[in-house]
Amino acid sequence: ETGVTQSPTHLIKTRGQQVTLRCSSQSGHNTVSWYQQALGQGPQFIFQYYREEENGRGNFPPRFSGLQFPNYSSELNVNALELDDSALYLCASSFVGRSAGELFFGEGSRLTVL
Amino acid sequence: AQSVTQLDSQVPVFEEAPVELRCNYSSSVSVYLFWYVQYPNQGLQLLLKYLSGSTLVKGINGFEAEFNKSQTSFHLRKPSVHISDTAEYFCAVSETGGFKTIFGAGTRLFVKA
Repeated sequence: ETGVTQSPTHLIKTRGQQVTLRCSSQSGHNTVSWYQQALGQGPQFIFQYYREEENGRGNFPPRFSGLQFPNYSSELNVNALELDDSALYLCASSFVGRSAGELFFGEGSRLTVL
Repeated sequence: AQSVTQLDSQVPVFEEAPVELRCNYSSSVSVYLFWYVQYPNQGLQLLLKYLSGSTLVKGINGFEAEFNKSQTSFHLRKPSVHISDTAEYFCAVSETGGFKTIFGAGTRLFVKA
């Protein structure tokens, strides 16, 4: 079975720009969660998608948005980038109803905002 | 609302010594508990999880953790560490039937030769 893959691995943007990060879920998984991990911190929950709809959201502004596609791949979009958005963005897939919330993580996309 | 507190930001230890990484959580409902490990420039990998039943759970790489409901703790232990255990360790909690997992700030385990 294939694991969770994320792209791009690294990218640099300037303040005010927009960015799209992509995630391919582990095969057989129907739920994807996105996390922001600032340097030296734990992952912070952004939102979760299940059946192509947002299933829950953390304390992030609306300029953070997402999509989940029928093949369970996902995108995280961030508009009007701010310097504090610089972080590692982690995608995690899981299967609702199995594995009791265990998350399978990709290696992340490291975003630097200048 | 749930929260997770990892009591040590850094734990230096010599190779082959025992180690304990401490984690306390707060929740008004029943929870699942997890420990994840993150090696440099990688995503997180599950070490072990507590769902129900026996309070002592064993995970990969010789790690184990004990769930203590009265103290709301879930400390991670290993009797003898290796250099390769050097990594960041995250304690996490999710409500049973909930949709999100909350992570602690992490503990950096540094194993010295």
